[in-house]
Amino acid sequence: DVKVTQSSRYLVKRTGEKVFLECVQDMDHENMFWYRQDPGLGLRLIYFSYDVKMKEKGDIPEGYSVSREKKERFSLILESASTNQTSMYLCASKGSASNQPQHFGDGTRLSIL
Amino acid sequence: GDSVTQMEGPVTLSEEAFLTINCTYTATGYPSLFWYVQYPGEGLQLLLKATKADDKGSNKGFEATYRKETTSFHLEKGSVQVSDSAVYFCALRRGGADGLTFGKGTHLIIQP
Repeated sequence: DVKVTQSSRYLVKRTGEKVFLECVQDMDHENMFWYRQDPGLGLRLIYFSYDVKMKEKGDIPEGYSVSREKKERFSLILESASTNQTSMYLCASKGSASNQPQHFGDGTRLSIL
Repeated sequence: GDSVTQMEGPVTLSEEAFLTINCTYTATGYPSLFWYVQYPGEGLQLLLKATKADDKGSNKGFEATYRKETTSFHLEKGSVQVSDSAVYFCALRRGGADGLTFGKGTHLIIQP
């Protein structure tokens, strides 16, 4: 089974802090994704990466950046956290074949105070 | 842009009832379609998928058929159980490496 591990289940940070959310997958997948999940809005794509050191903006990239230095690890960075970034963050990975599904981690619930 | 519309609920049913959760989409080309399920406190799990028109995805008694003519991918189950209580997300993907576009999710509650 594919394992996607997010480093924290719950995280509390303060406004203005730089925040790192980490995600690791164990299946040598090329593609990795970061989403945020908000009530009434579903999941929205923030950034994705299709290879090491490559990144693409999703639908809501503002206020975020990402890093993919190694194939198995994809980090989401909040450069200066704000209260409107309080949310559930979900990481996913996917192999290169077009018919493969995305596999999700259990999520990180981030609160910005 | 792409979009997915699904009933938001909550949808409350009795055990053994028939379930339908509607999903329609707007997209260019021929997207792949997915249903994901999220149990309380967990991440999303793939429930089923269909990659081309008229494909039927099925898993755990759930089914959905890719209907290009009506741009729909409705989720059905003949007899629901309490353990099916969860949030269900319909999603589409245009390209192999692209991210998913999700609906807002449908909260399903099954009462004994």
